[in-house]
Amino acid sequence: GAGVSQSPRYKVAKRGQDVALRCDPISGHVSLFWYQQALGQGPEFLTYFQNEAQLDKSGLPSDRFFAERPEGSVSTLKIQRTQQEDSAVYLCASSGGTEAFFGQGTRLTVV
Amino acid sequence: GENVEQHPSTLSVQEGDSAVIKCTYSDSASNYFPWYKQELGKGPQLIIDIRSNVGEKKDQRIAVTLNKTAKHFSLHITETQPEDSAVYFCAASKGLTGGGNKLTFGTGTQLKVEL
Repeated sequence: GAGVSQSPRYKVAKRGQDVALRCDPISGHVSLFWYQQALGQGPEFLTYFQNEAQLDKSGLPSDRFFAERPEGSVSTLKIQRTQQEDSAVYLCASSGGTEAFFGQGTRLTVV
Repeated sequence: GENVEQHPSTLSVQEGDSAVIKCTYSDSASNYFPWYKQELGKGPQLIIDIRSNVGEKKDQRIAVTLNKTAKHFSLHITETQPEDSAVYFCAASKGLTGGGNKLTFGTGTQLKVEL
């Protein structure tokens, strides 16, 4: 596609609910990243995929966060038993080399 | 791990003036330094980047300088226009040495260009 596409754009979840956020990277991009951006802050790294392999998940804040990219293209970030502190914008980026291109993000609000 | 500090947090300039945003990084192994512009409700947009083997790079009204010894880099915007108003983020990574391009971001600068 023309750019990185994320869905949904907005998600409101009740505390304790599970959510799944989707990322469609730029076609052919090998690398895919997830970042979390709290209000008024810079994005913070969550996890990195090279094709279908998750090579770095050091930024995932707890075992309630899980990401997958089973066929090396679309990726899903799942958050189980959401808590208020999970409220943030979740950004996906893809890269075919050095430059990383971001999607518009999913704004998650946990109420 | 890498730590990136960014200043100022807010910057207000008159249209036509220049704007300068400065960042420092901690990890001497970092070799790739992109700058992103983020408008309200949108994802970060790459506007310029610099690699560690270069001291300066220009693209029309935007320039970036890198001082590897001091571990700092700066974004310069000349002839600012109202559409330059946004939040700007600097970032650093070891992307050129492989292993992906995990970015460590600064805390952002809210630039406001006033008419």
